[in-house]
Amino acid sequence: SQKIEQNSEALNIQEGKTATLTCNYTNYSPAYLQWYRQDPGRGPVFLLLIRENEKEKRKERLKVTFDTTLKQSLFHITASQPADSATYLCALDIGSNDYKLSFGAGTTVTVRA
Amino acid sequence: NAGVMQNPRHLVRRRGQEARLRCSPMKGHSHVYWYRQLPEEGLKFMVYLQKENIIDESGMPKERFSAEFPKEGPSILRIQQVVRGDSAAYFCASSPPSTGVNTEAFFGQGTRLTVV
Repeated sequence: SQKIEQNSEALNIQEGKTATLTCNYTNYSPAYLQWYRQDPGRGPVFLLLIRENEKEKRKERLKVTFDTTLKQSLFHITASQPADSATYLCALDIGSNDYKLSFGAGTTVTVRA
Repeated sequence: NAGVMQNPRHLVRRRGQEARLRCSPMKGHSHVYWYRQLPEEGLKFMVYLQKENIIDESGMPKERFSAEFPKEGPSILRIQQVVRGDSAAYFCASSPPSTGVNTEAFFGQGTRLTVV
């Protein structure tokens, strides 16, 4: 069956350190992968999109890698800040349509000052 | 430019009642998607609509659930005869007319449905 698995444990890190989140998938062949941030009681907010032919993408303090052989994406938050505390979701496109996403359950990150 | 607007934010219904969830997409967006999020689970795709058309409803339960996106007004997700298992957060997302593949989706704040 198809699965998307993110870090099962919440991540607690010290301010200034790098947070690394994993997203592993099985029985999917996504053309792209997206990362979203979700705060409690709010909707997901788009952060980054990486395509299957891209190895790495950066946006400010965020970095995403995409390894289609390992079927894994890594999401890094460098120089983390307390304001980065949130739940981070990875999402894959399903099938041949570019509008239908399947989401992981998310990893909750808490950055301590 | 207002974001995706959903209302109500919180909805409480007794078992057997009907729930109506509304979504107004961002200005200029003609594509609407509904997702459901259960506690400790990822968002699950339900339905994709364009104005007056249901494009893909493969994620919708076969019974009691329906969605529409009329020419005028918001998109509506309707759940008839609600049961406790329908309790979840329902999110609407919108995107502009297709400008290429991999268009990001903009999500609303969600409607939290509680069935008592």
